[in-house]
Amino acid sequence: DGGITQSPKYLFRKEGQNVTLSCEQNLNHDAMYWYRQDPGQGLRLIYYSQIVNDFQKGDIAEGYSVSREKKESFPLTVTSAQKNPTAFYLCASTAQGLLAKNIQYFGAGTRLSVL
Amino acid sequence: GQNIDQPTEMTATEGAIVQINCTYQTSGFNGLFWYQQHAGEAPTFLSYNVLDGLEEKGRFSSFLSRSKGYSYLLLKELQMKDSASYLCAVRDLGNAGNMLTFGGGTRLMVKP
Repeated sequence: DGGITQSPKYLFRKEGQNVTLSCEQNLNHDAMYWYRQDPGQGLRLIYYSQIVNDFQKGDIAEGYSVSREKKESFPLTVTSAQKNPTAFYLCASTAQGLLAKNIQYFGAGTRLSVL
Repeated sequence: GQNIDQPTEMTATEGAIVQINCTYQTSGFNGLFWYQQHAGEAPTFLSYNVLDGLEEKGRFSSFLSRSKGYSYLLLKELQMKDSASYLCAVRDLGNAGNMLTFGGGTRLMVKP
């Protein structure tokens, strides 16, 4: 089955700790995105990547880092510099190209909490 | 940048029709998307409009007026399972990477 897999579903972070959220897709999509969602709010873009070995900051990149070493994978690290990391994190991907509507498809999300 | 507004909450009755509005301001409009998100789950794609008019897909329809910067999502024959948040998102030609800007979402509660 094609899709986007995020893991873990729930994650707890201790103060001063870096944690990494996994996002894998087998849709052969070129572009991948990370969003943060706070309770009752919309989605805010953290980072995005249009191609392997390239990524760009979104609106709220401070305290986060990413890598894109493989087309299928776009992990997000929440660093100790992110002082308010408790949120629901969503990964998305989209096909590129003129014929593609560039619909973003989402993974099931990771809920991060601080201990 | 973009500014997207939608009502925070709406309530409707099972079997009824509800219209969720979305207004936006953007310099280079390149498509509007509606997503449904049940509590604690990922958003799922509902509809896409890039030209003016109505797109119908079963019980759900979405309308766009580019000149007015306005869209609505129409849900007919409401069911209890339609209780969810509905997110309006806009793509702008000025956004690299096909980025979407999301509104805050409208939480719809369907009552018996």
